Amino acid sequence: NAGVTQTPKFQVLKTGQSMTLQCAQDMNHNSMYWYRQDPGMGLRLIYYSASEGTTDKGEVPNGYNVSRLNKREFSLRLESAAPSQTSVYFCASCVDSYSNQPQHFGDGTRLSIL
Amino acid sequence: GQSLEQPSEVTAVEGAIVQINCTYQTSGFYGLSWYQQHDGGAPTFLSYNALDGLEETGRFSSFLSRSDSYGYLLLQELQMKDSASYFCAHPPSGQNFVFGPGTRLSVLP
Repeated sequence: NAGVTQTPKFQVLKTGQSMTLQCAQDMNHNSMYWYRQDPGMGLRLIYYSASEGTTDKGEVPNGYNVSRLNKREFSLRLESAAPSQTSVYFCASCVDSYSNQPQHFGDGTRLSIL
Repeated sequence: GQSLEQPSEVTAVEGAIVQINCTYQTSGFYGLSWYQQHDGGAPTFLSYNALDGLEETGRFSSFLSRSDSYGYLLLQELQMKDSASYFCAHPPSGQNFVFGPGTRLSVLP
């Protein structure tokens, strides 16, 4: 039972470097989400994809881009990493965005930017 | 806009009952959910209220009052493993999700 799989689990970048965080779900969910969580804080939505082929900005989209590659995969890209983007990133999926079904989360990617 | 408020910390002893409150202000409302997150772990779903009243799932119950823009999570027969952060959350527009700041619960022996 894989659920939501995120890669990598840990990453250290230098300021200005780029990278892509990968997320895949095997539950045939329509909706997928990217959040960031800073120490002692709640989750803040970066981008979401209500269904395959659509993406929308969340609360904190600046500095990020996303791609819904197919129904299973939703990637998050940092084009030019900044220290302020040091955080734990969670990907989540849901049956759909309107039924208020539970969100299922991956284990997170711990990203440090020096 | 939309925002949710929760107490930052709650402490209780094993075997006790604790209530974690959540108040919200939102232009739209599509239900209130609760998630648990242990340190270093991922959030996991606990319960959901679409309508007013109490929803019970084992030792955990969740309550919603839409007229008061208020909900709470009730944890009974507290165990040490219940020490975690608890988040209320809702989809204000029906599509995306907003999470509260979280309440850190410490269960003491």
